[in-house]
Amino acid sequence: EVQLVESGGGLVQPGGSLRLSCAASGISFSSYAMSWVRQAPGKGLEWVSTISGYGAKTYYADSVKGRFTISRDNSKNTLYLQMNSLRAEDAAVYYCAKGRYIDYRDAFDIWGQGTMVTVSS
Amino acid sequence: DIQMTQSPSSLSASVGDSVTITCRASQGISNYLAWYQQKPGKVPKLLIYAASTLQSGVPSRFSGSGSGTDFTLTISSLQPEDVASYYCQKYNSAPLAFGPGTKVDVE
Repeated sequence: EVQLVESGGGLVQPGGSLRLSCAASGISFSSYAMSWVRQAPGKGLEWVSTISGYGAKTYYADSVKGRFTISRDNSKNTLYLQMNSLRAEDAAVYYCAKGRYIDYRDAFDIWGQGTMVTVSS
Repeated sequence: DIQMTQSPSSLSASVGDSVTITCRASQGISNYLAWYQQKPGKVPKLLIYAASTLQSGVPSRFSGSGSGTDFTLTISSLQPEDVASYYCQKYNSAPLAFGPGTKVDVE
């Protein structure tokens, strides 16, 4: 069974940093693009970032560009999101999502349960 | 960047009704469009990709159509378990933007 498990969420002060992790199991991890999608309380889905299967290419939403960094360790089947200079508007549930193929241009067929990030002083 | 819009923002229909949700891209995206369902308190689920291809395990009452800028998601016979928010997403190129969502309720 394919499973994605996020961790690393929590409460952080504005301007602070947090690193999210997403551990994958049941798949050949390096064969798929991986993404982060967030959802603020009561709001819709917002794409955050995507990384290609081997990690050579990364893509970011304008709202996080320069502050967030996506990476992956294929030897550990783990996806990361380093979040710096956090703002109140970054508060959301962050989902890890698997692309259907190695190319980033595809739909997300498996989602994790999400990890909550709260930004508050 | 290409903007995604959806209409209506919400709807309510009776069990057995046919329901259609529209998604529009501000520029052509060929068929690089997916539809997701998110039930209250749950994780999003992929319903359709490539505008009209049903994801494995998704009931056949769901269907998608369209190409270019205009797309539709149809639920042919609405069921109580279809109460959810539905989102379209473009994936032809970054940013992989989602539409604002359509909330579907059963009367």
